[in-house]
Amino acid sequence: EVQLVESGGDLIQPGGSLRLSCAASGFSVSVDYMSWVRQAPGRGLEWVSILYTYGTTYFADSVKGRFAMSRDISKNTVYLQMNDLRADDTAVYYCSRDIIVPPRFDYWGQGTRVIVSS
Amino acid sequence: EVVMTQSPVSLPVTLGQPASISCRSSQSLRHSDGNTYLHWFQQRPGQSPRRLIHNVSKRDSGVPDRFSGSGSDTDFTLTISRVEAEDLGIYYCMQSTHWPPPTFGEGTKVEIK
Repeated sequence: EVQLVESGGDLIQPGGSLRLSCAASGFSVSVDYMSWVRQAPGRGLEWVSILYTYGTTYFADSVKGRFAMSRDISKNTVYLQMNDLRADDTAVYYCSRDIIVPPRFDYWGQGTRVIVSS
Repeated sequence: EVVMTQSPVSLPVTLGQPASISCRSSQSLRHSDGNTYLHWFQQRPGQSPRRLIHNVSKRDSGVPDRFSGSGSDTDFTLTISRVEAEDLGIYYCMQSTHWPPPTFGEGTKVEIK
């Protein structure tokens, strides 16, 4: 059974950094496509980033240059490193998995909450 | 970036009655490979999104057959043939034909009339 469990969300001051984790089970993060999608309070869904099987990453313009994605195959976990955080990065961050691209977000985790505030 | 426009924003429904949600894209979603990458997601209160329909009309595993998707080019519809209480929540359309970025509609809230 495919499962995604996000963690690492916290209250962080503007300009700070945070690393989110997405622990996967039931499949390997090395052979599938992993994405992050976020949802600001009371708002809709916004795609953040994707990590391809061979390591290529793409990011939304709103986070490009500040966020990075990586993975640890031995832990079957993907990460979202978020730097220079801003108030408008406040959101629940969901991890999602696809077996092919273009992404269709086959499976979602339960999300982890990030609050950027002083 | 492709803009996805959903209507209505709020959809009051009567249990047991049909309901439809419209989704329009700012450009055609037909991909050069022949597929149309338009998908529908359901988000129940307090839960993560869950995909219901992919590629316009393909129902995902475990999704009740009262849910159906239709449309082409720039106009798409999600239909619930008979609304049940568990269907209440917010529904999003999403395109991934022209990506990155994949883009979502702003959502339609289905609630009891």
